[in-house]
Formats: sequence, C-alpha cells, structure tokens
Amino acid sequence: DIQMTQSPSSLSASVGDRVTITCRASQGITKYLNWFQLKPGEAPKLLIYSASTLQIGVPSRFSGSGSGTDFTLTISSLQPEDFATYYCQQSYSYPRTFGPGTKLEIK
Amino acid sequence: QVQLVQSGAEVKKPGSSVKVSCKASGGTFSTDTLSWVRQAPGHGLEWMGGIMPMSGRPNYAQKFQDRVTISADKSTSTGYLDLRSLRSDDTAVYYCARERVVGNDWYFDFWGRGTLVTVSS
Repeated sequence: DIQMTQSPSSLSASVGDRVTITCRASQGITKYLNWFQLKPGEAPKLLIYSASTLQIGVPSRFSGSGSGTDFTLTISSLQPEDFATYYCQQSYSYPRTFGPGTKLEIK
Repeated sequence: QVQLVQSGAEVKKPGSSVKVSCKASGGTFSTDTLSWVRQAPGHGLEWMGGIMPMSGRPNYAQKFQDRVTISADKSTSTGYLDLRSLRSDDTAVYYCARERVVGNDWYFDFWGRGTLVTVSS
C-alpha cells in the first residue's frame, strides 16, 4: 500500500495569511494526488485533483503543485471559511489511501 | 448534479452487523465507481473499498477484507456497505463517494452526508 504523510499536522494562521501544506507519498504516484477539505458535520469537499487541477466551484485562492512523491496545497489568502482539516489522497493505485490530515486553526 | 443519499444513523451491539445504503441520482451509476470511506472519532479518512456497478466486482482494503461486503443494485442505483463482527472501534461516520474517471484522472467528486454507526454494548 502507498503510505501518505502530511506536514504539519496542525497549523495556526490568521485571516489573510498564505499557508502551505505538504503531502508526501511513500512511492512515486506521478500526478495522481487529490486534496480535500473537511469540516465537522460536513462531507469532505474535493478541492484539487491530479495535483494541480482546481475542482469546479473551488475558489482560486486554492492551488496545488507537485509530482512524483512530493506535493503541496497552498491557500494564498486565508478566509474565515477556510479553517478546517485538509487531507491529501492518492489515486495512483488501490487501495486508495489518505494522509493523516492537517488541521488549520485560527490564530 | 449528482446526489448521494445515505441511510440513517445506526446503533449496534459488538459482534453484530450493519448495512448502510447510498442511493445515487443525477449521474451514471453503472459506470461510476462507488467507494466507502469512514472517519472514526479523532481519526482521519480511511478508504474501505469500492465497486463499479457495471462490473459488480468490489475492491477492498486489506484491513476490511474479511468483514466487509460492498455491493450495488443497478436497478435502484443504490450501493451498500455491509460490515460484520462489529467492534467498538468501528464507531465512525461512514461516507459513500463517487469516484469519477475522466481520462486518466480519478477523484472523489461527490459524497454522501455520512452515516454515523455507533457500536456499543
């Protein structure tokens, strides 16, 4: 199975800040990396797929990059609604695996 | 617009089974892949398995292979997760999700709202 790691595990930031979350795969997954946002009581929301493609309806302040084993999710200017937990997930092979999550909190 | 409507919350005893349903509308049920993902309290997201209704062949995470059955009824566009021999650490919110395939891109784009399964004696 492909193991996914994320850093940091938690992050405190302020509205307007630029934040970056890193995801690493235990083996190369080319571009097959997706990012999700999860808020309590809600279903996960797809933000980015295939490393850098913004899902329809997702604000352009979200962006993704990377390939191979190392990927990043960047939020260019944090908004109040962005405080949530973020997960990466590989779609290169089965079983699909998720990272452990990064909790983004208000400073 | 794809909608996935899941069955309601369940409370189960240890050792028993639970069956969660997920009714799809607005998409191409037979050719999409329907997966099940859970989140236990204080834990992250965990993929349990999936099925493409057209083929009927499920694909399971090894961790759940012995206790889970994922199935789909094309006639009603409904997917099912059957989890047996429940333990307290199976207490979780269980989500169904459509995995879309566009060219070589695979991603979970639509999700159900989740079904809370509580396992308690």
